[in-house]
Amino acid sequence: AQRVTQPEKLLSVFKGAPVELKCNYSYSGSPELFWYVQYSRQRLQLLLRHISRESIKGFTADLNKGETSFHLKKPFAQEEDSAMYYCALSGRGGSYIPTFGRGTSLIVHP
Amino acid sequence: DSGVTQTPKHLITATGQRVTLRCSPRSGDLSVYWYQQSLDQGLQFLIQYYNGEERAKGNILERFSAQQFPDLHSELNLSSLELGDSALYFCASSVLVGISTDTQYFGPGTRLTVL
Repeated sequence: AQRVTQPEKLLSVFKGAPVELKCNYSYSGSPELFWYVQYSRQRLQLLLRHISRESIKGFTADLNKGETSFHLKKPFAQEEDSAMYYCALSGRGGSYIPTFGRGTSLIVHP
Repeated sequence: DSGVTQTPKHLITATGQRVTLRCSPRSGDLSVYWYQQSLDQGLQFLIQYYNGEERAKGNILERFSAQQFPDLHSELNLSSLELGDSALYFCASSVLVGISTDTQYFGPGTRLTVL
């Protein structure tokens, strides 16, 4: 069974502080990991995925297979980063069923 | 705008009733996914359709069913509704199926309230 755990329901930081949203996963095969974001009154949208190894809006995430983690990081948080963040996993190959974490609400204070 | 549309935006109904939620995918997307988001719950995958055929099933109750029509829009039917079915129901679409890196584009959701 595949599982995604986001241990923090809420993360509150001040503008300019570093941010790390934690995501741990459980999957026996080769996973594909994603971060989705939902800003206030907007739709859920893809932020980044591990295979792209890209930085979006200053956010990066590295897949650590040893620790089964895919933490989302940003060195200097901005107020506009305040949103709900979801970590998601799918299995590579075959039929896949996407699994989402419960989400972490990030609040960036001015 | 991702292009995925869902109707209605809000739905209030009573226990025991039956409702239908509708989703139109982005132009060109063949896959449609349905998710349920309850209070304090993450997104729970319900079911996936590709080009009219069911491709994957998640935590979907037997009281729930879905289908995808030739024009690729999809409907999620919820019957014998219970209080616990109150939730936000999301639809998402993507271009391909079976490629796990395929990006899903989400609709705005339908908020269902069962009284």
